[in-house]
Amino acid sequence: RKEVEQDPGPFNVPEGATVAFNCTYSNSASQSFFWYRQDCRKEPKLLMSVYSSGNEDGRFTAQLNRASQYISLLIRDSKLSDSATYLCVVNTPARGSGNTGKLIFGQGTTLQVKP
Amino acid sequence: DTGVSQDPRHKITKRGQNVTFRCDPISEHNRLYWYRQTLGQGPEFLTYFQNEAQLEKSRLLSDRFSAERPKGSFSTLEIQRTEQGDSAMYLCASSDTGANYGYTFGSGTRLTVV
Repeated sequence: RKEVEQDPGPFNVPEGATVAFNCTYSNSASQSFFWYRQDCRKEPKLLMSVYSSGNEDGRFTAQLNRASQYISLLIRDSKLSDSATYLCVVNTPARGSGNTGKLIFGQGTTLQVKP
Repeated sequence: DTGVSQDPRHKITKRGQNVTFRCDPISEHNRLYWYRQTLGQGPEFLTYFQNEAQLEKSRLLSDRFSAERPKGSFSTLEIQRTEQGDSAMYLCASSDTGANYGYTFGSGTRLTVV
């Protein structure tokens, strides 16, 4: 089982639509959660962190359910420029005090917003 | 310092040759990470350093791969006796706070083994 699982899509939506992506993770000790955006043939860039209480950044809303080990990203009023791959990312803590370990990436979910 | 720099951007090599990639992290960042990404997949962890110490290596990092960060600043990733399966984007990232706040990636080195 992969440590971070996402539906690869693609999700094809019209401009203005609302779209949601989901992700599950397997390590219950994970402490930090993120969504990264990756454009074709570019490096991943941090879109937003995900907090237990849920958080919003403009048209983007992220939520975390620790009990179900589930993370979501909601994009409202989709724009053509939102077309990209969205990577669900979870940290895997390491043994040893103060060692925050490394980030584990999901496969990514591809979004294509059509005019 | 404008970000994480990787060199070269692209590398084409013949099977069996050795290649070396360089990463210059953001200057105040003490953690440096290497990832590999193939088409349709997310980045896969290879190894990471805190200052000059290599703290973890993935099982993906076979004996043909070695990474160094001799002075705790830039890092190199060497692949010996390249194979076609090594063709991928090699991404470097750095962080000053570990994995709790995400990292900044460089533009990557795209390796093609022919």
